[in-house]
This record gives sequence, structure tokens and C-alpha cells, in this order.
Amino acid sequence: QVQLVQSGSELKKPGASVKVSCKASGYTFTNYGMNWVRQAPGQGLEYMGWINTNTGNPTYAQGFTGRFVFSLDTSVSTAYLQISSLKAEDTAVYYCAREAAAGFESWGQGTLVTVSS
Amino acid sequence: QTVVTQEPSLTVSPGGTVTLTCASSTGAVTSGNYPNWFQQKPGQAPRALIYSTVNKHSWTPARFSGSLLGGKAALTLSGVQPEDEAEYYCLLYYGGTRVFGGGTKLTVL
Repeated sequence: QVQLVQSGSELKKPGASVKVSCKASGYTFTNYGMNWVRQAPGQGLEYMGWINTNTGNPTYAQGFTGRFVFSLDTSVSTAYLQISSLKAEDTAVYYCAREAAAGFESWGQGTLVTVSS
Repeated sequence: QTVVTQEPSLTVSPGGTVTLTCASSTGAVTSGNYPNWFQQKPGQAPRALIYSTVNKHSWTPARFSGSLLGGKAALTLSGVQPEDEAEYYCLLYYGGTRVFGGGTKLTVL
């Protein structure tokens, strides 16, 4: 069965960087795009963008350009989200979600990134 | 920037019926926006319920249905159960990007 397993919680200082991983299993990784979604504490879901796992081409939603980078390691069926120059407002749970013909059908469990001095 | 609007909160009695809607700032929602609906309970990841307006996943309870209603996407719950109390989000596709609605907190009381 399809599984997306994300890396564990992170506590970072302002200005640092963080890299969140999303390891896929149960399907051919390069056949489905991967989306990234942010959820700040007590807030709604926010679409960050997606990466074409076949070509490696990322597409970033408005507000997620510059400090946010999507990448892949197809040899281990893993997608990554890297955030640089972290700010307190980046504190959130970050989700990966597989893009299929049936929409965002499978989600990772989420990774909490806390930015605090 | 495109804004997708949902009712902030709704309350329904157990066994009742409730309809949640999802509106687009760009105009009427159509099947070309491929409306998706998700359920999220506290501390959990979102769970997909509906895709492409009306299609259910294999795990979606029969009491959930999707539609287009008055220029909006809609999610109807018929015969609401206590376990349906949750936050519900819609997602609309706009060409190469997607936008989530702000969510509807559904209370079963």
C-alpha cells in the first residue's frame, strides 16, 4: 500500500536551515508528483507547491519562492523540502502529499518544524 | 491572489444533513477546478474524501457526497455521525497551482 513517511520534528534557531524528508513506498515514485503543504499552529492548510518526480522540476506557489526548495533523491524514493533563513513564522507542520489522478490521495504524517531562539 | 472561501463553522445534529461549500474569488467553481475535499481531526494529517468534484475514495463513507451547487463546490454529509466532527478543507485546481479553502469546523451537537 502507498505510504509516505516523513522525518521527525525539528527545533531550529532563526536564520538556520532545515531539510524535511518524505520517503515513499508501495508505488513507483517517479510516476506521481509530490506536493508540499504547510499548516501553521491553529491555522488552515496552505499549498506550497509541487515537484515533478519524473523531471525534478519544482513549481512553487505564491509566497513560497526564494527560501523554499523542493528536491528529490529518486534512488531512495524520497522527496525533500528545504527551508533556509528560518523565521519564527515558519513554525508549522509540513506535509507531503502524493499527486494522483485522484487528487491528493495520500499524505505523510507531517513534520513539525519549530523556529525559536 | 486567488482566494477560496468556506464557511468558518457549521453545527449539525447527529443523524442530520449538512452541506459545506467552497467558493472561488475568480468566479464560479467548475469541474475544471477538480474540487477535492479533505477531513482533518486534531493532531492528524488530512484525509482525502472526495476528488474531481464527485468521486469518492475507497475509504470514503457513503454518507459523504460531492457536487457543484450554485457556482460553488459542495460537500454534503447525510446521516451525520459523531465521528464526523472535524475540520473540512476544499482544494481547487487553477491550472498549474492549487489553493486550499480556509476550512470549515463542523460541530456535531
